[in-house]
Amino acid sequence: GEDVEQSLFLSVREGDSSVINCTYTDSSSTYLYWYKQEPGAGLQLLTYIFSNMDMKQDQRLTVLLNKKDKHLSLRIADTQTGDSAIYFCADRYSSASKIIFGSGTRLSIRP
Amino acid sequence: DTGVSQDPRHKITKRGQNVTFRCDPISEHNRLYWYRQTLGQGPEFLTYFQNEAQLEKSRLLSDRFSAERPKGSFSTLEIQRTEQGDSAMYLCASSLVQGTGNTIYFGEGSWLTVV
Repeated sequence: GEDVEQSLFLSVREGDSSVINCTYTDSSSTYLYWYKQEPGAGLQLLTYIFSNMDMKQDQRLTVLLNKKDKHLSLRIADTQTGDSAIYFCADRYSSASKIIFGSGTRLSIRP
Repeated sequence: DTGVSQDPRHKITKRGQNVTFRCDPISEHNRLYWYRQTLGQGPEFLTYFQNEAQLEKSRLLSDRFSAERPKGSFSTLEIQRTEQGDSAMYLCASSLVQGTGNTIYFGEGSWLTVV
């Protein structure tokens, strides 16, 4: 069935790059998304990538898509304390309008 | 435009009571979604509307749950005879469908605690 998986935790040093990984199962995915959630808050759309793209860059964010391996990653350059949050990978299937979320990766920043 | 607005932000209710949440989508967005999120999990899809039509419902949406979007603008999600397992954050989202694009924007969520 439809599934999106992420590792649960990531800890990086302030100023380093963070790489959050995601795998998905549906080969007919059209859009893949990254959302950020801070404690007690809703979901903030960070970026998304269309399935015919390999890479998308937006300021400190770089999204890489390997469609063959069904692998998506989010790289955050120069990670800051304000980047501490849970990051969700989400997948939109071509035959449906809903998006399916992973369980989220909690990013913590070490000084 | 203030984004997706949800009300109330927090609700504590006794088991067996009914609760209703309201969602105001971004102006002119024709799709509206409801998701549920429990601690430590990602959001789970409940249902979505295209204008006033409810087009898909998840199996998570039991008979005690009902969602409406009567005029194609705001939506309500009602939970009848609440159970402790209903405690979660209920997220509303909206989008404007144009071609194959479908960027979905979420509100801040409505927290439900059933005691």
